Amino acid sequence: SQQGEEDPQALSIQEGENATMNCSYKTSINNLQWYRQNSGRGLVHLILIRSNEREKHSGRLRVTLDTSKKSSSLLITASRAADTASYFCAVLIIQGAQKLVFGQGTRLTINP
Amino acid sequence: ETGVTQSPTHLIKTRGQQVTLRCSSQSGHNTVSWYQQALGQGPQFIFQYYREEENGRGNFPPRFSGLQFPNYSSELNVNALELDDSALYLCASSLTPNTEAFFGQGTRLTVV
Repeated sequence: SQQGEEDPQALSIQEGENATMNCSYKTSINNLQWYRQNSGRGLVHLILIRSNEREKHSGRLRVTLDTSKKSSSLLITASRAADTASYFCAVLIIQGAQKLVFGQGTRLTINP
Repeated sequence: ETGVTQSPTHLIKTRGQQVTLRCSSQSGHNTVSWYQQALGQGPQFIFQYYREEENGRGNFPPRFSGLQFPNYSSELNVNALELDDSALYLCASSLTPNTEAFFGQGTRLTVV
């Protein structure tokens, strides 16, 4: 079954508002990473949170991780039009191979 | 800019042909992973190379093969192309297999 499932699939908010995206996964993880993707281009790494961490901040981004619930959230504060993109969470799973397993992503639209 | 470069950026091939995609990893990174991203989906892990050895493989058939060179650049080869191979192919490099992965801009492959 799918790892790193994001919720919601699509989110549309006004500029200046906060955006929250959630991610759930199913197995034990080494770390969880959030990425942004603009219009089918490459993935931009946003933040990595390790399995023994609960919260990390980077600029306007705040990521939390709850390993007991196997979930993570990404909060973007004071959103800007330039934040319009798809956001993916990816869990690093070590099962023989060490691989990032991505969800389907959340499509975020910031309206001016 | 992540320092990860992929070539070519776009490619059109005919069903049954073979294709080689190339990736230059970020300086100092010895791990390269390849992902396939179909339209509207999250990236799917193809395989990973660590210090010139395959370090794990996803659920892709053997006609997907790869190489990593002594300078840690990498190639993805796909034989006997099928229409469903049309996708964005992403290369990611990392310092080690379980640290942040930095992605290139991808190669958009269209099989007709």
